[in-house]
Amino acid sequence: SQQGEEDPQALSIQEGENATMNCSYKTSINNLQWYRQNSGRGLVHLILIRSNEREKHSGRLRVTLDTSKKSSSLLITASRAADTASYFCATGSFNDMRFGAGTRLTVKP
Amino acid sequence: AAGVIQSPRHLIKEKRETATLKCYPIPRHDTVYWYQQGPGQDPQFLISFYEKMQSDKGSIPDRFSAQQFSDYHSELNMSSLELGDSALYFCASSLRRPSGNTIYFGEGSWLTVV
Repeated sequence: SQQGEEDPQALSIQEGENATMNCSYKTSINNLQWYRQNSGRGLVHLILIRSNEREKHSGRLRVTLDTSKKSSSLLITASRAADTASYFCATGSFNDMRFGAGTRLTVKP
Repeated sequence: AAGVIQSPRHLIKEKRETATLKCYPIPRHDTVYWYQQGPGQDPQFLISFYEKMQSDKGSIPDRFSAQQFSDYHSELNMSSLELGDSALYFCASSLRRPSGNTIYFGEGSWLTVV
């Protein structure tokens, strides 16, 4: 069953704009991870945020975590055409990682 | 740096045939995971191995089996293939300790059942 659910399912923006994707989950977590997947390619780990962290940055990525609302957001600033991909949040241990349905981001040049 | 290697990258099989996918984890990683991603679906955890022993089991059909060998590579065997088995199969690896290590995914093996 799905643990994380992404919102929106699809997002289309212009290059240079910011993109925000949200993820909700159902059970308590130790950490939450975000992954990117280019069409038909492997999943690439972007960032991990632990349950005791509220915000984390990595380059143009900013992730927030609200454990009281069981939600997380991924913000990509100054988007580029190369950011076009599907973005998934994932929770659970590596042994049993649950992915959300993903947000399909399209960045138009 | 070496990544997770999967083979074959593409495979076409007929219904009721058998397919075997291979995964070579990152050197020194002790844990391997298999995921299945159907067209337009999110990845689903199938099974994992730690130190060559099955560690956890997800939504893996009984027609599928997997094992991890002494060199830590893993194979996913799928028998009596069905059209619905057409999917991208990911292998991933990580170090179990310390906790919180990143999991690395391979590029995936595309299986098409016709």
